[in-house]
Amino acid sequence: AQSVTQPDIHITVSEGASLELRCNYSYGATPYLFWYVQSPGQGLQLLLKYFSGDTLVQGIKGFEAEFKRSQSSFNLRKPSVHWSDAAEYFCAVALYNQGGKLIFGQGTELSVKP
Amino acid sequence: KAGVTQTPRYLIKTRGQQVTLSCSPISGHRSVSWYQQTPGQGLQFLFEYFSETQRNKGNFPGRFSGRQFSNSRSEMNVSTLELGDSALYLCASSFVGDLLREQFFGPGTRLTVL
Repeated sequence: AQSVTQPDIHITVSEGASLELRCNYSYGATPYLFWYVQSPGQGLQLLLKYFSGDTLVQGIKGFEAEFKRSQSSFNLRKPSVHWSDAAEYFCAVALYNQGGKLIFGQGTELSVKP
Repeated sequence: KAGVTQTPRYLIKTRGQQVTLSCSPISGHRSVSWYQQTPGQGLQFLFEYFSETQRNKGNFPGRFSGRQFSNSRSEMNVSTLELGDSALYLCASSFVGDLLREQFFGPGTRLTVL
């Protein structure tokens, strides 16, 4: 069965430092890949997505992610973290023929130190 | 354009009762998906409706059901509530349910079962 693993439950970084959140998937083929962010009391907001083509994807709020087929990974990065980036981040995958069904990782909570 | 709205935002029920949650998608969107979010299980797909038809279903018991109306509004119902049903229930809408187009999430309904 397909699955998504986010190895880090909680990460703390200093404001201005770089960030990398890890995501690995288990799938027979290359799925569609997504990163979402959830702030307290809010729904999920899409940061970026990968379907095909260039393996480095740019998203909103200065985030980017790199798809590595050989490692079954889709890690999220940001060169300089802002205090407002503190939130929970979810990696998700989907099959192209399963409509709107997303399979989510467990999430990584990001804290930002001043 | 108004976002996805969910009502009510908070709900407290007792075991054995039933509950109905409502989701109004973004105007023009025809696909609505529902997810359950709990600290232990994370985000799990419940079901997806497109043009009043259930197109996809997750691994939840039959106590969880849903429907979609001709105006694309959707409701989900949980009968015979159990303590473990306490969760944040999120709905997401998209234009046609194809993941090439973004899903937009609502703020969720927080259900507490006592």
